[in-house]
Formats: sequence, C-alpha cells, structure tokens
Amino acid sequence: DTEVTQTPKHLVMGMTNKKSLKCEQHMGHRAMYWYKQKAKKPPELMFVYSYEKLSINESVPSRFSPECPNSSLLNLHLHALQPEDSALYLCASSPEGTGELFFGEGSRLTVL
Amino acid sequence: QKEVEQDPGPLSVPEGAIVSLNCTYSNSAFQYFMWYRQYSRKGPELLMYTYSSGNKEDGRFTAQVDKSSKYISLFIRDSQPSDSATYLCAMRAKAGNMLTFGGGTRLMVKP
Repeated sequence: DTEVTQTPKHLVMGMTNKKSLKCEQHMGHRAMYWYKQKAKKPPELMFVYSYEKLSINESVPSRFSPECPNSSLLNLHLHALQPEDSALYLCASSPEGTGELFFGEGSRLTVL
Repeated sequence: QKEVEQDPGPLSVPEGAIVSLNCTYSNSAFQYFMWYRQYSRKGPELLMYTYSSGNKEDGRFTAQVDKSSKYISLFIRDSQPSDSATYLCAMRAKAGNMLTFGGGTRLMVKP
C-alpha cells in the first residue's frame, strides 16, 4: 500500500462547481507534487511544493489552485473546470536529497 | 526528439519469459533513474531506483544504467501474469529537479 493517501478516489463535478482534492503523507518528505495523467500518457507535472515553497508549471490554467497547509498535507482546489480537465490527478512526495518520487493512488476526476 | 524515448508496446510474452524494457535519453546530466509500474487506473508504483551507472537487483527485477550509451533497462525474470501493467521509466538530473518520464511500455504476460 502506498504511504501517500489521496481523497477522494473518484470525483464527478460540473463545470460551475468548486471542489478540492486532498493528499497526505507521513513519511517526513519535504517535497510534494501534483501531477495530471491522461489515458495512455505519462504523468505531467502541475505544481511542486518544496519546503512549502511553490513552483508552478506555467502551462497549468488558473482554474487549478494548490495549497500546502503544512509539510504533510497538499490540496488542489478546482474551480470552473472544463471537460478536458477530466484525468487522473496524482499526488507524490519525495525525500530530501534523493531522486525518488512516491505516488498516491490518484483521484479520478470527471468533469461534465 | 523527446528527451526520453520508450517503446510504447504493447509487449506480449508468455508466463515465465524474461522481459527486457528499455529507455534511451538525450540529456547527459540525468543521474537519478527510476522504473515505475502502473496498473490500470492506479497510481505509479516505484519499482527500482538507481543513482548514476550500474546494476541493481531486487527479487525478479534488475535495473541497469549505461550512462555512456544513455540507455537504461529493466529486466523481469520468470514473468507472471500479475506483471501485466504499464512500465514507466523516469529520470532527473538533481534530486530537486523535475522528473522526466518516458511514454511508458505496456506489458502483457499471458498464462
């Protein structure tokens, strides 16, 4: 079982809804990530929090908003999404000083 | 040309076969190399992690890195139907840098 926990596992939302995806890790990792994965494609980086400092993939639209309440928690706030935003959203964390990345099971999002 | 190339497959083998999965890359600065296994509709699971060149073995899995050829491999011995999944290679230059993925190879192991 992964030590990165994501909720909810499935989410269906309309284009006018506001929802949030949540991620939690208790491995003491200081870097946490949000990735988006479409079918038969590799994950694409959206956001990185390293020591609670945010780095953004400039191509990610502003309708996605990350939040890092503390070093163990990571949220992704969703507002006014489009059907093409339907995908598997993956949270990951990484220990300091190594290249390893540990993923959660993902939240499957469907935008109607 | 993509920074990391991986044959998409699908690769179909009989149970018990030795499987070889490969990636080539162009960025000579890469020094952290990973292999992930991803089952359908699940998150990627870290299988093997290698820093710099060399071999690493874990049970039925062996990872090889040849930095001179910019080529990495994952070997699976005595393949099982439960190994059927998509395998993603990934690499990065420094621990804090962005991870670059290959496109993934879909593997099917038939009983």
